[in-house]
Amino acid sequence: EAGVTQFPSHSVIEKGQTVTLRCDPISGHDNLYWYRRVMGKEIKFLLHFVKESKQDESGMPNNRFLAERTGGTYSTLKVQPAELEDSGVYFCASSQERGWNTEAFFGQGTRLTVV
Amino acid sequence: AQRVTQPEKLLSVFKGAPVELKCNYSYSGSPELFWYVQYSRQRLQLLLRHISRESIKGFTADLNKGETSFHLKKPFAQEEDSAMYYCALSERAAGNKLTFGGGTRVLVKP
Repeated sequence: EAGVTQFPSHSVIEKGQTVTLRCDPISGHDNLYWYRRVMGKEIKFLLHFVKESKQDESGMPNNRFLAERTGGTYSTLKVQPAELEDSGVYFCASSQERGWNTEAFFGQGTRLTVV
Repeated sequence: AQRVTQPEKLLSVFKGAPVELKCNYSYSGSPELFWYVQYSRQRLQLLLRHISRESIKGFTADLNKGETSFHLKKPFAQEEDSAMYYCALSERAAGNKLTFGGGTRVLVKP
C-alpha cells in the first residue's frame, strides 16, 4: 500500500512568488493534516481536513496560505506571495480512526526555500 | 494551551549504554502521548504510544500523570537508534492534531 506522498520534495522560489505543495494521503484516510517545521523550531500544526471539510485551520499563519482538498482526496497548500519566513519543511499526514487507533502517517515532507 | 517540552536537543551515548529521552507536557485534558522517530533520509514514523503500552525496538515509555512526563528509555542503545526523536501529544476532542516537542537528536557512537 502506498504511503503518504508529497510533491515536490524540494522547492526553491523567490520572495513574492507563488508555490503550491501537494499531498496525497493514504487511500481511504478521511483525516489529512498539514504541519511545518521552520528552521530551529518545533513541528507545528497548520490545519486539519476531514474529507473535504476544513475541521481546524487554527495553525495557519496568515492569509497568504490557502489549503484545499477538493473531493476529499489529495490536498494542496498554496503560499502566495511567499516570504522569507515561510522557508521550512512542510509535512502532510493522514489517518483513519479505528477505535483507539489514531495513528497518523507522515509524508516525506517538502522542503521550501524562499530566497 | 498544550505544550510539549524536550529539554535535550542532543544526546550522545556509546553503543550498549542506556539512553533516556525526557519529555514533559502540559495539558489540562486527557491527552494521548506519542514518540515519533525520524531516521536519516526517512519520513517521520510512529515509534510508540502510551495507550498501547508496547515495547518497540527495545524502547519503552511510561506516562506519569503526576509528573506530566513521558520519558523514552532503552537499556542498551544500538547504532541504528541514531535518529531524531519527537515527543508529541494529541487530544481526540481536538481532532487528534499533534503538538510536538522540539525534538532530541540521538547519536549512538560505536
